[in-house]
Amino acid sequence: GAVVSQHPSRVICKSGTSVKIECRSLDFQATTMFWYRQFPKQSLMLMATSNEGSKATYEQGVEKDKFLINHASLTLSTLTVTSAHPEDSSFYICSARDVSGERGGNEQFFGPGTRLTVL
Amino acid sequence: GQNIDQPTEMTATEGAIVQINCTYQTSGFNGLFWYQQHAGEAPTFLSYNVLDGLEEKGRFSSFLSRSKGYSYLLLKELQMKDSASYLCAVSPTNTDKLIFGTGTRLQVFP
Repeated sequence: GAVVSQHPSRVICKSGTSVKIECRSLDFQATTMFWYRQFPKQSLMLMATSNEGSKATYEQGVEKDKFLINHASLTLSTLTVTSAHPEDSSFYICSARDVSGERGGNEQFFGPGTRLTVL
Repeated sequence: GQNIDQPTEMTATEGAIVQINCTYQTSGFNGLFWYQQHAGEAPTFLSYNVLDGLEEKGRFSSFLSRSKGYSYLLLKELQMKDSASYLCAVSPTNTDKLIFGTGTRLQVFP
């Protein structure tokens, strides 16, 4: 199956600093990637849809100026948490959609996630 | 609006069979996915249904009824390693997104 990598896997930062998380599709091109956050014992919450070459589409309630998304190439999307605060501590997961995949092109392949802790 | 419902938690015994239900109300339907997620890890694909009926894959099966907006995931011969969260996700029409349910935390006991 398609492989998605995410880096870093774990990051601890001080309050007020910015953190960048990378999401890469390793063996396929992904025109669309998705960013989720997940709190303990809860399901995935979609933050934004990242489209290659255009602006990301944010879900209601997600601050676009705080969570900057850049999808500069067909294999890379980045999420930057700006001026991070303790309440931003969470598990951030990206996924990539393989439109040429066998399951109607709707399947999303998930990265391993990034555990962000803001002190 | 979009709504997907699953039970929050379930428990079962090793070797038993468990059925996890999922009901959905979405703007159109373009397929339903089941994912397994162990704590602190990314979701992994289990099954995909787009037509009515049962899809069997080893110990896991998934069923879909589009007219009822209903799916279930059936796990047979449960093993301890099956303790995880199971996420139901629907692909509505006219969107790239997957809409996820709340997830069902399954605990398998010896």
